[in-house]
Amino acid sequence: DIVMTQSPLSLPVTPGEPASLSCTSSQSLLHRDGYNHLDWYLQKPGQSPQLLIYLSSNRASGVPDRFSGSGSGTHFTLEISRVEAEDVGVYYCMQALETPLTFGQGTRVEIK
Amino acid sequence: QMQLQESGPGLVEPSQTLSLTCTVSGGSVNSGGFYWNWIRQSPGKGLEWMGYISNDGNTYYNPSLKTRVTMSLDTSRNQVSLNLTSLTPADTAVYYCARDTTFATDFWSGHRSSYIDVWGKGTTVSVSS
Repeated sequence: DIVMTQSPLSLPVTPGEPASLSCTSSQSLLHRDGYNHLDWYLQKPGQSPQLLIYLSSNRASGVPDRFSGSGSGTHFTLEISRVEAEDVGVYYCMQALETPLTFGQGTRVEIK
Repeated sequence: QMQLQESGPGLVEPSQTLSLTCTVSGGSVNSGGFYWNWIRQSPGKGLEWMGYISNDGNTYYNPSLKTRVTMSLDTSRNQVSLNLTSLTPADTAVYYCARDTTFATDFWSGHRSSYIDVWGKGTTVSVSS
């Protein structure tokens, strides 16, 4: 199975400031189709996870443009340009390259 | 807009079988391009993908659960079902039904590109005597 590792596990942030979350995979997520099969999800308190980013850098429908994803191969980053209070929750990366799909352990973002 | 609703017993005894149902509204379970996933979340293991069933009934299960898990579609009721046998306390978790949507298929490899874009609210299952 592909192992996903996220850092940091906890990230206190100040509203209006940027935030950067990291995700590393145990093997490359770059498929010969040219895409990196890495998705980001946000689980807000008391809710189900929701899709933020797919194929490493594509924002899902309705996701604010302050969220951006980047990376290739085994290293990926989710950046929030200016954190808002509604962005608190746990962020998960997930590899969608092969089954079984696997998730990182999550980064908890909280407001300072 | 499609919605998913999980249902099932909140408490199951060890060694018993768990049966969960996911009722789909706002769309059909046999619509092309959709796969129906079961994902569970426990404090100890985080998010764990259990497997999926395609709109035409093909299944793929996580090898870690393969001998214990079965998924099926009931097109007449527009439902997706999950059965998990030989339960232990380690199966205590919130169980989610989730739809993934195919948005591309690689011509050469047949690799399917998709994302999980609709989740149910989840149902909590405790395994205890």
